[in-house]
Amino acid sequence: AQTVTQSQPEMSVQEAETVTLSCTYDTSESNYYLFWYKQPPSRQMILVIRQEAYKQQNATENRFSVNFQKAAKSFSLKISDSQLGDTAMYFCAFWGTSGSRLTFGEGTQLTVNP
Amino acid sequence: DVKVTQSSRYLVKRTGEKVFLECVQDMDHENMFWYRQDPGLGLRLIYFSYDVKMKEKGDIPEGYSVSREKKERFSLILESASTNQTSMYLCASTIGTLGAYEQYFGPGTRLTVT
Repeated sequence: AQTVTQSQPEMSVQEAETVTLSCTYDTSESNYYLFWYKQPPSRQMILVIRQEAYKQQNATENRFSVNFQKAAKSFSLKISDSQLGDTAMYFCAFWGTSGSRLTFGEGTQLTVNP
Repeated sequence: DVKVTQSSRYLVKRTGEKVFLECVQDMDHENMFWYRQDPGLGLRLIYFSYDVKMKEKGDIPEGYSVSREKKERFSLILESASTNQTSMYLCASTIGTLGAYEQYFGPGTRLTVT
């Protein structure tokens, strides 16, 4: 079974600075998808970014980018120019093409301070 | 705009009661999911459904059942609520191949069993 590990339960960053959230996973599959989801306080969870394992290029979405290291099974999220609205719980998730479910990490609570 | 709604944001029930949590999506998605979210454990899949009247067990199905009579509606049933089922319950839906695409989440139901 796949596992996803987020080793940082809580992080904080000053507004306008850059922060990196870590995620590692364990799988024997060669093709899979990785996701970062964001859950703001009292609001619905939304997708931040998605990476397909067979694509070499790291995904980016505006201020959000990933560092995907397939050999190391690492998938970190970088948030540049942090904003107060980035305060949220962030979940890393994995889906393997042979599986039928999304596996989530434990989550990282990010606080952006003014 | 895509939308997943859940019948209640907060619910308080007594031990032994039968509890129904309803989820409705307006995106004509084939796949629907029920997760529970607990601190330090991330999201864990309870059940999912890939079509009307079809269901599959997730990772923690014990004590739960589901019903999907219509494509847009997926219900989670706690047959006899227990205090260890106190949690946040999230519903989600997605189109196409399970897991490969973005999941759209509802706002969640915070259930307290006393």
